[in-house]
Amino acid sequence: QQQVKQSPQSLIVQKGGISIINCAYENTAFDYFPWYQQFPGKGPALLIAIRPDVSEKKEGRFTISFNKSAKQFSLHIMDSQPGDSATYFCAASMDSNYQLIWGAGTKLIIKP
Amino acid sequence: NAGVTQTPKFRILKIGQSMTLQCTQDMNHNYMYWYRQDPGMGLKLIYYSVGAGITDKGEVPNGYNVSRSTTEDFPLRLELAAPSQTSVYFCASRVGGMNTEAFFGQGTRLTVV
Repeated sequence: QQQVKQSPQSLIVQKGGISIINCAYENTAFDYFPWYQQFPGKGPALLIAIRPDVSEKKEGRFTISFNKSAKQFSLHIMDSQPGDSATYFCAASMDSNYQLIWGAGTKLIIKP
Repeated sequence: NAGVTQTPKFRILKIGQSMTLQCTQDMNHNYMYWYRQDPGMGLKLIYYSVGAGITDKGEVPNGYNVSRSTTEDFPLRLELAAPSQTSVYFCASRVGGMNTEAFFGQGTRLTVV
């Protein structure tokens, strides 16, 4: 119930392509779904987040798509660049709980 | 803006030794967390705190202890280090209340030999 399942574990995309990372959850009480980006040797940093009252949120080349009925959300990176190469984590939380529940991470490599 | 500061950045411990990983934040955040990240794996919660004087166990607390005497500081204590504690440790903080962004430190890479 508390798990967030993330896929794929790793992803290689050509420069200029679209990178798509998927997450699924079970607990319908979750009401906040952030994506974090982590570069080697650094801590994760918030990239973009969404609440379940909207189906999509876009910030520059990064878009979260949210499907409440399927209990799934995904990160789309348009026009992927080598600088996007990093590990991406999805997470979920709810107001009544202090914790963020993390996906296992996706290592993204953008090939020039 | 210092944000979340962790020290040390790297440390090698011998089996059975003890050490304290330091974490301090200057954003007046109520919530603080300690995670460990093993190679190719996600973040596992060790301990967390929702305010000074209040701490609670996360998913993997065995072998660790924490304290929260001030809002700013949240040290993680390793007693009797074991090779299984070789990992990268991250401290994070959030302002609390409504779901909010977590800010992470740069991490401490610990090797137990």
